Amino acid sequence: DIQMAQSPSSLSASVGDRLTITCRASQNISRYLNWYQQKPGKAPNLLIYAASSLQGGVPSRFSGSGSGTDFTLTISSLQPEDFATYYCQQSYSAPRTFGQGTKVEIK
Amino acid sequence: QITLKESGPTLVKPTQTLTLTCTFSGFSLSSRGVGVGWIRQPPGKALEWLALIYWDDDTRYSPSLKNRLTTTKDTSKNQVVLTMTNMDPVDTATYFCARHGIVGAPGERLYAFDIWGQGTMVTVSS
Repeated sequence: DIQMAQSPSSLSASVGDRLTITCRASQNISRYLNWYQQKPGKAPNLLIYAASSLQGGVPSRFSGSGSGTDFTLTISSLQPEDFATYYCQQSYSAPRTFGQGTKVEIK
Repeated sequence: QITLKESGPTLVKPTQTLTLTCTFSGFSLSSRGVGVGWIRQPPGKALEWLALIYWDDDTRYSPSLKNRLTTTKDTSKNQVVLTMTNMDPVDTATYFCARHGIVGAPGERLYAFDIWGQGTMVTVSS
């Protein structure tokens, strides 16, 4: 199985901050990497697919990069509605594993 | 508009079998490349991928749960069913179904869980 490791597991940030979340795969997954946002009590929402492609309707302050084993999700200017938990997920092979999540909290 | 909704018991006893149904609309599970997946989330914990069924009846399961899981589809009813045997309190979680859709250009083999159900909370307790 491909293991996905996210860092950090949590962080505190302020509105307007630029933040970066990292996801590392245990083997080469090319660009088969998706990012999701989950707010408390809600289902996850797809933000980015194929490592860097923005899903429709997602604000342009979200961006993704990387390929192979190392990936990043960047929020250029954190907004109040962005405080949530973010998960990476590989779509290279089954099982389609998720990372353990990164909780973004208000400083 | 694409929607998915999970249904099933909210409480099951240890050793019982859980049966959940995902009823969807706005897409067809007979369309090439499309699938429906199951993901769960214990309270306060991370997402865990469980199973996936494709348009052609191909299925994939989490290796750690493979012996306990079965997923089937009824294309005419727009439903996918997940059964999990021998339930244990550690299986207490919110269970989500989600469309495993094609998100890139045809031929790119890019997939994601692009539409999710609201989830259903299942508690395992005697």
